[in-house]
Amino acid sequence: GQNIDQPTEMTATEGAIVQINCTYQTSGFNGLFWYQQHAGEAPTFLSYNVLDGLEEKGRFSSFLSRSKGYSYLLLKELQMKDSASYLCAVFPSFSSGSARQLTFGSGTQLTVLP
Amino acid sequence: NAGVTQTPKFRVLKTGQSMTLLCAQDMNHEYMYWYRQDPGMGLRLIHYSVGEGTTAKGEVPDGYNVSRLKKQNFLLGLESAAPSQTSVYFCASRSGQGYGYTFGSGTRLTVV
Repeated sequence: GQNIDQPTEMTATEGAIVQINCTYQTSGFNGLFWYQQHAGEAPTFLSYNVLDGLEEKGRFSSFLSRSKGYSYLLLKELQMKDSASYLCAVFPSFSSGSARQLTFGSGTQLTVLP
Repeated sequence: NAGVTQTPKFRVLKTGQSMTLLCAQDMNHEYMYWYRQDPGMGLRLIHYSVGEGTTAKGEVPDGYNVSRLKKQNFLLGLESAAPSQTSVYFCASRSGQGYGYTFGSGTRLTVV
C-alpha cells in the first residue's frame, strides 16, 4: 500500500519563502510529482523528481530523498497568485503494474497574505 | 489543442438517478483514469484503463462502472446516485511511453 503525508494548511507572507513537505511510504516507487491546484480547477504540473537532490525551476524548486521517503516543494518570492493547494503524488515503478496510477497526498492549502 | 475534455462540467442529480460522465482525449494515450476529489482531500482513484476494451478497479470503485469501447473515450457511470457521490471528478490520461499525466478540467457533481 501507499501512505503519503503532507501538512493540511500553511500560511506565508508575500515575498517570503515557504517549504511544503511530503513524506511517503510505498512499495514500488519510481518518482514523485508536485501539482498546483487552484480552487475549482484541475491540478497543473509543477515538477517530477526521480533522482535524489534538488531541481530548480524558476521560483519553484523540488527536492527528493529516496532513502528517507521525503520530498519538499520550495516556493520563493511568494506572490498572491501562489495561494493554492499543492499536491504531492507518488508515481509507482513499472513492477507495480503497467497502469502506474498516481497516488495523491491530501494536499497542502497555502495561503499567501499581503 | 483539446487534450482531455470532460463533459458535463456541472450536474445536479437526485438520489437514485443515473448518469454517465464522458472523458475524451485526442492524444492517442493508452492509459486513462477516473479520480474523485472531496473537499480538503487529494484525488482518489475510482477506475482506470490500460487500453481499449480494458478496465480495472481503483481505490474507491463502489457505486461506479466504467467502459472504454474506444481508445479515446473513457466513460464513468453512476447507476444509482447517492449523496456520498457528491464530488469533483477528474479524468486523466497518460501515454505508455512517459510519466506525464494530462488532466481534464473536472466535473462538479452534486447529488441531492
